[in-house]
Amino acid sequence: KAGVTQTPRYLIKTRGQQVTLSCSPISGHRSVSWYQQTPGQGLQFLFEYFSETQRNKGNFPGRFSGRQFSNSRSEMNVSTLELGDSALYLCASSLGGTAEEQYFGPGTRLTVT
Amino acid sequence: QKEVEQDPGPLSVPEGAIVSLNCTYSNSAFQYFMWYRQYSRKGPELLMYTYSSGNKEDGRFTAQVDKSSKYISLFIRDSQPSDSATYLCAMREAGSARQLTFGSGTQLTVLP
Repeated sequence: KAGVTQTPRYLIKTRGQQVTLSCSPISGHRSVSWYQQTPGQGLQFLFEYFSETQRNKGNFPGRFSGRQFSNSRSEMNVSTLELGDSALYLCASSLGGTAEEQYFGPGTRLTVT
Repeated sequence: QKEVEQDPGPLSVPEGAIVSLNCTYSNSAFQYFMWYRQYSRKGPELLMYTYSSGNKEDGRFTAQVDKSSKYISLFIRDSQPSDSATYLCAMREAGSARQLTFGSGTQLTVLP
C-alpha cells in the first residue's frame, strides 16, 4: 500500500507571496493532519481535516488555511509569507477513528527568502 | 513550561548498547503515546503506539508508559548504526481529535 505523498518536496518563495502544498493520504484514510516543523519550535499541529471538515485547529494565524477534497486529498495554503514560515510542513493520515495511528509523509520543505 | 519535555541529547552510544529515551508530560488527559523515528530530511516514521499505562514490545524496541508518574520511555536493545536518527515522543488526548503534542526530539548516534 502506498504511503502518504506530499508535493512539492521543495519550494522556495519570496516574502509576501502565497503557497499551496498538497497531501495525498494512504488509501482508505479519511483524516489528514498538518504539522509545521522548525528547529526552534519542533513539530507543531496546524489543523486536521476529516470528511472535508476541519475538525481541530492549532494556534497559528489565519494566514494558514487548509481544505480537504472528497477523495480525502488535502491542501494547505499560506498567504502573505513571512521569513518565519520557512519550515518542513508535514502531513499525517489516519483512518479517522478514535484510536488509529497517524502516518507521516516525507514533508514539503518551504524556504521563504 | 512545555506540555511534553524530552532531553534533546545528543546521545552517542556504541553498537550493541541498550538505549533509553524518555519523555515527561504534564497533561493528565493524554491517553495515547507514540514514538516516532525521524531520519535527516525525512518525515517521522511511527515506531511504537501504546494506549494508557503499560509496556509494549516490538522486536528490539520496548515502549513503557507510567501514567502515574507522567513518564514514558523507549528502550532499544542491541542498537545498530542504522538506528541513528532523531527520536520523537508524541501523545494525544482521547476523543476524535487527532492533534499530537510532540517532544523536542532526542538525536541518537550509534557508533560502529
